[in-house]
Amino acid sequence: AQKITQTQPGMFVQEKEAVTLDCTYDTSDPSYGLFWYKQPSSGEMIFLIYQGSYDQQNATEGRYSLNFQKARKSANLVISASQLGDSAMYFCAMREGYSSASKIIFGSGTRLSIRP
Amino acid sequence: EAGVTQSPTHLIKTRGQQVTLRCSPISGHTSVYWYQQALGLGLQFLLWYDEGEERNRGNFPPRFSGRQFPNYSSELNVNALELEDSALYLCASSTTAGANVLTFGAGSRLTVL
Repeated sequence: AQKITQTQPGMFVQEKEAVTLDCTYDTSDPSYGLFWYKQPSSGEMIFLIYQGSYDQQNATEGRYSLNFQKARKSANLVISASQLGDSAMYFCAMREGYSSASKIIFGSGTRLSIRP
Repeated sequence: EAGVTQSPTHLIKTRGQQVTLRCSPISGHTSVYWYQQALGLGLQFLLWYDEGEERNRGNFPPRFSGRQFPNYSSELNVNALELEDSALYLCASSTTAGANVLTFGAGSRLTVL
C-alpha cells in the first residue's frame, strides 16, 4: 500500500532563511508522481510543485525546489529565502502509478511558521 | 477561467441527518476527487470519480457516497451524520493526462451538532 510520511508536525524559521520540509514515501510501483501543496489559514489548497518518478532533474518553481532522492524515497521541499507569507501548512502527496485505480494520497502535513 | 467551485461553503446539521455537497470542476477536467479534512488534521481520501464512474474510494463507511454527472460535476452524500463527520470537505479536479495536478475548491465546512 502506498504511504506518505511527514515527520515534522511544526517548524519555526527566521524570515529570509531557507527551509527544508521533509517527506518520505513508500511505493512498490516504479511509476509515481509526487506533489507539494500549501494550505494557508484561509483553507485553500495551493499547488506548489510536482516531481515525476522518471524525471531526471529535480523540479523547481521559483523559490520552491524539490530535493528528490529516489533511492531514499524522499521528496523534500526546499523553500529559499522564506517570507512571512510562507507561514502555512504544507502537505506532501503521492499518486502511485497511472492505472485507472490510482489515487492521490496526502501526508499529515507540516505547519511552517516564519518569524520576522 | 473559473476554478473549482463548491457549495455550500458552510453548513450545520444535527446527528442522524443527511447532507449533500456539490462540486463543479474546472472546464476540461474529467476527474473529481473528494477529501475529508478534520480540524487541524491532514486530508483523508474519500472518493475519486472520472468520466462518470467511481474509480477508487478511501477507507470510509458506505454512508459516504457520491456520483459524477455527465457534465463532470459531482455530489458527495453523507447519510446518518455523526459528530466525527464534522470537517472541511475538499473537492479537487484534474485532467487524466500528464501530472494529474489537483486543483482544489475552497471547501465545504460541515459542522454536526
